[in-house]
Amino acid sequence: KAGVTQTPRYLIKTRGQQVTLSCSPISGHRSVSWYQQTPGQGLQFLFEYFSETQRNKGNFPGRFSGRQFSNSRSEMNVSTLELGDSALYLCASGPDSGSALFYGYTFGSGTRLTVV
Amino acid sequence: AQSVTQPDIHITVSEGASLELRCNYSYGATPYLFWYVQSPGQGLQLLLKYFSGDTLVQGIKGFEAEFKRSQSSFNLRKPSVHWSDAAEYFCAVGHASGGSYIPTFGRGTSLIVHP
Repeated sequence: KAGVTQTPRYLIKTRGQQVTLSCSPISGHRSVSWYQQTPGQGLQFLFEYFSETQRNKGNFPGRFSGRQFSNSRSEMNVSTLELGDSALYLCASGPDSGSALFYGYTFGSGTRLTVV
Repeated sequence: AQSVTQPDIHITVSEGASLELRCNYSYGATPYLFWYVQSPGQGLQLLLKYFSGDTLVQGIKGFEAEFKRSQSSFNLRKPSVHWSDAAEYFCAVGHASGGSYIPTFGRGTSLIVHP
């Protein structure tokens, strides 16, 4: 079956702009999580969505937001981009909130965002 | 709060040699522990996990890990490393939050394999 699909793969934006990243989970998966990966901070949890509801949110400013649609696809948005937002953004999906932990999340290849 | 420490930023081994990657965690309850691997330009792939029971767990690609509660450790091992094992390895601890479980990742260990 198809894996987790993240689009676009690469993105270059200017400071102050906003950006929207997309994640299509594995078919049948209802849990989608987002992570920011940087060399300085490592992997940091952004938020988790399950059945269109945000279940958890990491310690990020309000400029970072997300949503999940009825087909489980998810988007994350970053407004007023800063240089420090340059990172690899990873999306992970799981069957549901609990079994995602048991079976392990399936990660996409990520979107590489560069802010200039 | 939970945390994961991977003391080694880089590890270099020769192909065919044995490997041990260290992971220490801090968590108040029974931990859910994971090892993930990330190849360049790729997302993370689950190698193995520990929830309960046998403290020695087997994973994919010939990896195993041993949970030692007394040492708060979950070290990853492989008896003979292949060049294709060169990658970034992440240890994670899962904790319950908001009716779900969220993994907290260590900073990662970069494995370099010499021929």
